[in-house]
This record gives sequence, C-alpha cells and structure tokens, in this order.
Amino acid sequence: EVQLVESGGGLVQPGRSLRLSCAASGFTFDDYAMHWVRQAPGKGLEWVSGISWNSGSIGYADSVKGRFTISRDNAKNSLYLQMNSLRAEDTALYYCAKDGARYSSSWYYAFDIWGQGTMVTVSS
Amino acid sequence: QSVLTQPPSVSGAPGQRVTISCTGSSSNIGAGYDVHWYQQLPGTAPKLLIYGNSNRPSGVPDRFSGSKSGTSASLAISGLQAEDEADYYCQSYDSSLSGSVFGGGTKLTVL
Repeated sequence: EVQLVESGGGLVQPGRSLRLSCAASGFTFDDYAMHWVRQAPGKGLEWVSGISWNSGSIGYADSVKGRFTISRDNAKNSLYLQMNSLRAEDTALYYCAKDGARYSSSWYYAFDIWGQGTMVTVSS
Repeated sequence: QSVLTQPPSVSGAPGQRVTISCTGSSSNIGAGYDVHWYQQLPGTAPKLLIYGNSNRPSGVPDRFSGSKSGTSASLAISGLQAEDEADYYCQSYDSSLSGSVFGGGTKLTVL
C-alpha cells in the first residue's frame, strides 16, 4: 500500500524551530519529487516547498523562503522540512505529498498521494 | 488572495450538474501549464480528482470531468450525490512565482 506518514508537529513558540518528517512506503521513493503543502485552520491549501527526486531542484513559496529548508534521504525513504524562525502565520496542518511524475525536476505535475498531515501550532 | 480564483461556494440538488471555475492568468493557466483538481472531504486529506486538465486517476467516477480554455479551467460534476459534498481545489504552476499554486477552494453543498 502506498503511504505517507508525517510526524514532528507540535506547539512551538514564535521564533523557535521545528523539523517535520515524512516516511514513505509502497512506492520507489527515489523516483519521485516530493512536496510539502500546508492548510491553516479553516483555510485553503498552500504549496510550501518541493524537492526533485535527486534533490537537484528545490523550490519554496515566498512566504517561507529563507526560513524553511526541504531535504530528503532516499536511503531512508524520508522527506523533511526544517522550519526556523516560526511565526504565528505558520500555524497549519502540514501535508507531505508525492509528485505524480517520475524523475520530475519541476512543479508542473499533480500530487497523487497525500499523507494525513501533522499539525504545527506557533504560539506563545 | 489566491493566484487562482475559485468561487467560494456552489450548490446543487442530487442528480444535478454543477461546475466550479478556476481563473488564472498569463503566468499560470494561460501560459499552458496544466490544471489539476482535488477533492477534500471534511476532516480528511486532499485526494487527486483530475490531473492534466481532464484526466481521471483510476477509481474516480466519470461523473467528474475537467476542462481548460485560455486562462481558465473548470471542474464539472454530474449526477450530484450527497457524498460529493466537499471542498474542491484547483492547482497549477506559476512561472512568475516559480512554484505550484492552488485556488482558494470551493465548498460544494448538496441540497
């Protein structure tokens, strides 16, 4: 079964850091780009970041550029999001999502598999 | 404000047909980038509904269809059912932002 399981969310104070993880199974992880998408409470979806299958291409939304870092470990079938200098507006459910195209180095394609998300709350 | 514009809500009676629009610009849909659609049932993760403007993944009923023209795209749902009540999001790529973008989402109510 194809599965993505996020972890690492929690309550954190403004200005602090948090690292999210996403464990993948059921597909050849190192063939696909991966993404982080977030959803603030009661709001819509926002693409946060994407990383190509070989980590050669990385992209960020303007709202997180310079504060968040995406990475992956293909040997561990895992995706990560290092979040620094967290703000209240970063409060959201963070989803890990699989790109639908093999060996993609762009963000043109649909996200065909999603995890259940991990909640990040930034508050003092 | 989202780069892709969707109506906040649409509604229809069981059995009817509804459409949800997604309006972009020359840096995303109008530039030729594909549009994808997702369904998010209450309390669940988004699910891919339409990819590449008009293609359905395996398991998605043919009641769901997508189209694209110019700077806009549409999702049509025919034979509306109670279980179709959900939020729907369009997605594309934006060359000005160099990233993926989502519409603000549309809440479908089945009357």
